[in-house]
Amino acid sequence: SQQGEEDPQALSIQEGENATMNCSYKTSINNLQWYRQNSGRGLVHLILIRSNEREKHSGRLRVTLDTSKKSSSLLITASRAADTASYFCAGYNQGGKLIFGQGTELSVKP
Amino acid sequence: DAGITQSPRHKVTETGTPVTLRCHQTENHRYMYWYRQDPGHGLRLIHYSYGVKDTDKGEVSDGYSVSRSKTEDFLLTLESATSSQTSVYFCAIREDRGPPEQYFGPGTRLTVT
Repeated sequence: SQQGEEDPQALSIQEGENATMNCSYKTSINNLQWYRQNSGRGLVHLILIRSNEREKHSGRLRVTLDTSKKSSSLLITASRAADTASYFCAGYNQGGKLIFGQGTELSVKP
Repeated sequence: DAGITQSPRHKVTETGTPVTLRCHQTENHRYMYWYRQDPGHGLRLIHYSYGVKDTDKGEVSDGYSVSRSKTEDFLLTLESATSSQTSVYFCAIREDRGPPEQYFGPGTRLTVT
């Protein structure tokens, strides 16, 4: 399977703390993206980082990419209860198909 | 919202019956995708389409077929539903030449008893 691996599978933090999620692949992927999924809803695109980028910011989100390790991390700073959701990494494989990780379930307690 | 609807949103069916799920977009994008989401597996690609009557298989296509006779509609058919096809099904679209992110529909929860 080409699926990405994410860790942790579940993360519980207090409001105001930072949340870090990691993603790794066994095969080469490009256009690495992160998505959020609220319970019972579809996925929402958060941020994309291209293969020639190492770090990208968007509001409270910071994404890093290490192509040599085939890994990426998503940092959410100053978390809020509304950030409670599942977060998925996804990247395009050589065949042009988007391959998802298994997700990290984030719970932010008020 | 990205202008994607899925129907039905919930369905319960019996093993062996045919089921068709519909994805409808108002964005006129060429690329459309069907995924299934199961606990512990994230999302897995079933089939995708890159234009009217142009479709291809994804990672978990066995037991599924698709059709796209109009740009706006992408149909997923389970010819003879099995309990292993109990899942949440998501449709997604992607801009033809824009950034490679995908926009997802609200999902269809299918239960095969």
